[in-house]
Amino acid sequence: EPEVTQTPSHQVTQMGQEVILRCVPISNHLYFYWYRQILGQKVEFLVSFYNNEISEKSEIFDDQFSVERPDGSNFTLKIRSTKLEDSAMYFCASIPGTGGVTGELFFGEGSRLTVL
Amino acid sequence: LAKTTQPISMDSYEGQEVNITCSHNNIATNDYITWYQQFPSQGPRFIIQGYKTKVTNEVASLFIPADRKSSTLSLPRVSLSDTAVYYCLVGEVGTAGNKLTFGGGTRVLVKP
Repeated sequence: EPEVTQTPSHQVTQMGQEVILRCVPISNHLYFYWYRQILGQKVEFLVSFYNNEISEKSEIFDDQFSVERPDGSNFTLKIRSTKLEDSAMYFCASIPGTGGVTGELFFGEGSRLTVL
Repeated sequence: LAKTTQPISMDSYEGQEVNITCSHNNIATNDYITWYQQFPSQGPRFIIQGYKTKVTNEVASLFIPADRKSSTLSLPRVSLSDTAVYYCLVGEVGTAGNKLTFGGGTRVLVKP
């Protein structure tokens, strides 16, 4: 069964450093998402991406964050100048988007980011 | 965006049916209702999706009344492995410009 893959599974970084989290969505999917989950809290929407541009973003997704799909397969989340409160699990998800409205979010296993 | 409200937690016992109700009073015409299951340190996993009335698959049923202001996920005969957090998500899926936002989730504990 096709799956969304994320790397790294765990990254430890120093406060102020830049981090890039990578995702390979399922190949024929059209809509891509990043979510984060702080330990013990709910899953929070960060950004959705379609047709090589951001379609929606939350108030969490400020200038510190950016996303891109550099080569048609990878979907990356960049966090500039990380802060302690960026420590969380980051999930990538995708939706096929074919046939109109319905579809399920396919999630990756997540990348755990620890900022020291 | 339709805000969702779910109970924070529920306890059950093996073999029982678990029903989790989600309120979404301001659901929009084009919104679908989707439920996800999440185990610790894993990504959420799709359980079921519906628009109105009743939907059933191999793992759950979803009941949606005519006004669509709430929905109930029904898990028949739960086992210990069904202990997880269950999220109700309401939104227009599969279109550009969508913001699929999870609510607080319901933590279900299945006891032996």
